[in-house]
Amino acid sequence: AQKITQTQPGMFVQEKEAVTLDCTYDTSDPSYGLFWYKQPSSGEMIFLIYQGSYDQQNATEGRYSLNFQKARKSANLVISASQLGDSAMYFCAMSLILTGGGNKLTFGTGTQLKVEL
Amino acid sequence: DAGVIQSPRHEVTEMGQEVTLRCKPISGHDYLFWYRQTMMRGLELLIYFNNNVPIDDSGMPEDRFSAKMPNASFSTLKIQPSEPRDSAVYFCASSLMGESYNSPLHFGNGTRLTVT
Repeated sequence: AQKITQTQPGMFVQEKEAVTLDCTYDTSDPSYGLFWYKQPSSGEMIFLIYQGSYDQQNATEGRYSLNFQKARKSANLVISASQLGDSAMYFCAMSLILTGGGNKLTFGTGTQLKVEL
Repeated sequence: DAGVIQSPRHEVTEMGQEVTLRCKPISGHDYLFWYRQTMMRGLELLIYFNNNVPIDDSGMPEDRFSAKMPNASFSTLKIQPSEPRDSAVYFCASSLMGESYNSPLHFGNGTRLTVT
């Protein structure tokens, strides 16, 4: 069975500092994808970044980077130069191949990030 | 692109009433997903469609829940009769898949359902 684990229910970071949100996963499937989503207090789910299991380099999208350590089965999100607007819930998710193509996402429990002045 | 559109944003109803949640996916997307989010259980996949056909409804909690996708641009999730424990935020998401596992899901803004 596939599983996503986020062990940090809450995190605090000072504005302009970098922060790492942890995510570990478990799957027996050699092909999978890892995603991070942001959910601000307004409730919408915003896609941030993706990493494929066969990607050689860590994914980056602006201030977001994904620290992918395949042997450790971890896919931590790094946010550089934190901003007040980064305060939100962050979800790690894993894609599972579906019969007939496509995939569905299984989500972790989330980490609530608070950026402070 | 308008994104995934859900309606209503908020729904308050009394126990026993029928509730219908609506979703318009992004044009051209061939997968549609319904998720439910609660504090206790997090984000749970209820059902998903591929090209308007329901593929896996194993996440639907009970027979009181049903979902349809009559065409590529519209889906409904119905709860009949509703119960207080159905109170949650219901998300619709769509994606363009093909045979890749790297397509992100694009979520709507969700419907916050409160059953009293």
